[in-house]
Amino acid sequence: EPEVTQTPSHQVTQMGQEVILRCVPISNHLYFYWYRQILGQKVEFLVSFYNNEISEKSEIFDDQFSVERPDGSNFTLKIRSTKLEDSAMYFCASRPTVTNEKLFFGSGTQLSVL
Amino acid sequence: DQQVKQNSPSLSVQEGRISILNCDYTNSMFDYFLWYKKYPAEGPTFLISISSIKDKNEDGRFTVFLNKSAKHLSLHIVPSQPGDSAVYFCAARTGGGADGLTFGKGTHLIIQP
Repeated sequence: EPEVTQTPSHQVTQMGQEVILRCVPISNHLYFYWYRQILGQKVEFLVSFYNNEISEKSEIFDDQFSVERPDGSNFTLKIRSTKLEDSAMYFCASRPTVTNEKLFFGSGTQLSVL
Repeated sequence: DQQVKQNSPSLSVQEGRISILNCDYTNSMFDYFLWYKKYPAEGPTFLISISSIKDKNEDGRFTVFLNKSAKHLSLHIVPSQPGDSAVYFCAARTGGGADGLTFGKGTHLIIQP
């Protein structure tokens, strides 16, 4: 069964460094998402992406964050200057069509900012 | 601002019995609701969903009930099995397009043998 893949599974970085989290959504899916879950808290929406542009973003998704789909398969989340509070599990998700409500999630990247 | 609330952080149920997980929401614009299941070190996995125009949806052992007037939905699992032990998230969305899901904090379901 097709799945969303995320790399790396764990990322440790120093505060102020840039990180790029990578995702390969399911082929032929049209909508792409990033979510995060801080330890012990709920899963929070960050951004949605469709037709090569951001469709919606939350208050969390400030100027330090950016997303890109550099080619036909990858979908990346960049954090320019990481802060301690960016430490979380980051989930990528994709969705096939606008009429299919189901999001398919990857297994996540655990980001630790020291 | 908790638009989707799961007030029980954990729930313990005996194997074979019914598990009932509850979810309340405040945003009357939500028109689609989903339940996700999450194991440790894995991403959320879709379980079952319901449109706001329905009040019940069933899929095997899983049934979701929606009470729009009370802004409440529940997930019933019967019979409960050991593999059902996981964190269950209620999620909701508004409108169409690429809108993201709003998640609750989750309920950790523990199935006792």
